[in-house]
Amino acid sequence: ETGVTQTPRHLVMGMTNKKSLKCEQHLGHNAMYWYKQSAKKPLELMFVYSLEERVENNSVPSRFSPECPNSSHLFLHLHTLQPEDSALYLCASSQDLRTSGGFPDTQYFGPGTRLTVL
Amino acid sequence: LAKTTQPISMDSYEGQEVNITCSHNNIATNDYITWYQQFPSQGPRFIIQGYKTKVTNEVASLFIPADRKSSTLSLPRVSLSDTAVYYCLVGPYNQGGKLIFGQGTELSVKP
Repeated sequence: ETGVTQTPRHLVMGMTNKKSLKCEQHLGHNAMYWYKQSAKKPLELMFVYSLEERVENNSVPSRFSPECPNSSHLFLHLHTLQPEDSALYLCASSQDLRTSGGFPDTQYFGPGTRLTVL
Repeated sequence: LAKTTQPISMDSYEGQEVNITCSHNNIATNDYITWYQQFPSQGPRFIIQGYKTKVTNEVASLFIPADRKSSTLSLPRVSLSDTAVYYCLVGPYNQGGKLIFGQGTELSVKP
């Protein structure tokens, strides 16, 4: 599937580096999300954007800085990370945060970026 | 948001039907039940969603009893490619994007 793409797919960085993860959705959705998945742990929601406005920040450390320049693109800027930040970072999108009724909005996930912090 | 409980792992063989049950004793009236599938090093993928009774699509069936305190994902005639982690999620339609993933059930399909 190419609905949600993420680059790079793999990233190795030192603790003093600055890098950015990119997510792009081609589905015409209004909401985008960042999740973190550490080894043997459930997915953790990090940030939620709706129409380019951040609506959720789940107590994420400031060394992670999201940016949503438009409804199709989402970035996660990384700065002075720690080895425990090594994980799979997943981007997702959905039509909207809320539906007018009926079923909850389905989220479509990208393939993720496997991040290793040395 | 209602807490869910699933078996940590299950084994099956090709061609068998697999049933994964999820318990959600505290499900609320406006909660829906959603299942996602995740292959290694990939993002989760929506499988099926329901509110009550039975829902079927081209991939799976979802059985929800009248009290809605549990649900069962049924995968007919699994193949090796169905080896994945399956997540049961419970939440209202207006949850504002808050998908709460548990540990999921790691299904291993053997030849």
